[in-house]
Amino acid sequence: NAGVTQTPKFQVLKTGQSMTLQCAQDMNHEYMSWYRQDPGMGLRLIHYSVGAGITDQGEVPNGYNVSRSTTEDFPLRLLSAAPSQTSVYFCASRNYAEAFFGQGTRLTVV
Amino acid sequence: AQSVTQPDIHITVSEGASLELRCNYSYGATPYLFWYVQSPGQGLQLLLKYFSGDTLVQGIKGFEAEFKRSQSSFNLRKPSVHWSDAAEYFCAVGARNYGQNFVFGPGTRLSVLP
Repeated sequence: NAGVTQTPKFQVLKTGQSMTLQCAQDMNHEYMSWYRQDPGMGLRLIHYSVGAGITDQGEVPNGYNVSRSTTEDFPLRLLSAAPSQTSVYFCASRNYAEAFFGQGTRLTVV
Repeated sequence: AQSVTQPDIHITVSEGASLELRCNYSYGATPYLFWYVQSPGQGLQLLLKYFSGDTLVQGIKGFEAEFKRSQSSFNLRKPSVHWSDAAEYFCAVGARNYGQNFVFGPGTRLSVLP
């Protein structure tokens, strides 16, 4: 049982480049979300989805896009990377009782 | 809107000593409450959760937490800390509405002295 799988684990981008962080879950959860983690700020919600075809913005959505074409996958796209997007990104899927997290993607934008 | 505060950014304890990590939340109704632990370079692992019933909740790794409605608190405790407990700890609140998000506190980093 893989749970939540995120790829890549590490990534270095140049300012202005675009990329997609992948997230897949095998628990058939409707609810998935993306967080970024920065020192002293905990986890802040970027975007979330309550089911295939439905997405919404979280606390810090600017500079990021998401889509949800299947229950399993919830990719996060950085349209034009900026140094302020240097962070650790976590994907989570949840049922009503618990959120399950991927191992994270450490992204550095230079 | 929900919010979570963890007043202690960093706590250092000696191995074998007791531990209490503080968490206060703001929420208009009875929330779901969680404690997660993050070891260096890892994702978040659920330690314990409170939904209803007994206000003292037991979790994994010997941790427990107590929900105190009057104080809007959900403090995490462990009677005897092990060196492997060194990690970052996050308190989170989740609304009973399934469509609502979890809100995380800023985290408390725990260091353990040998």
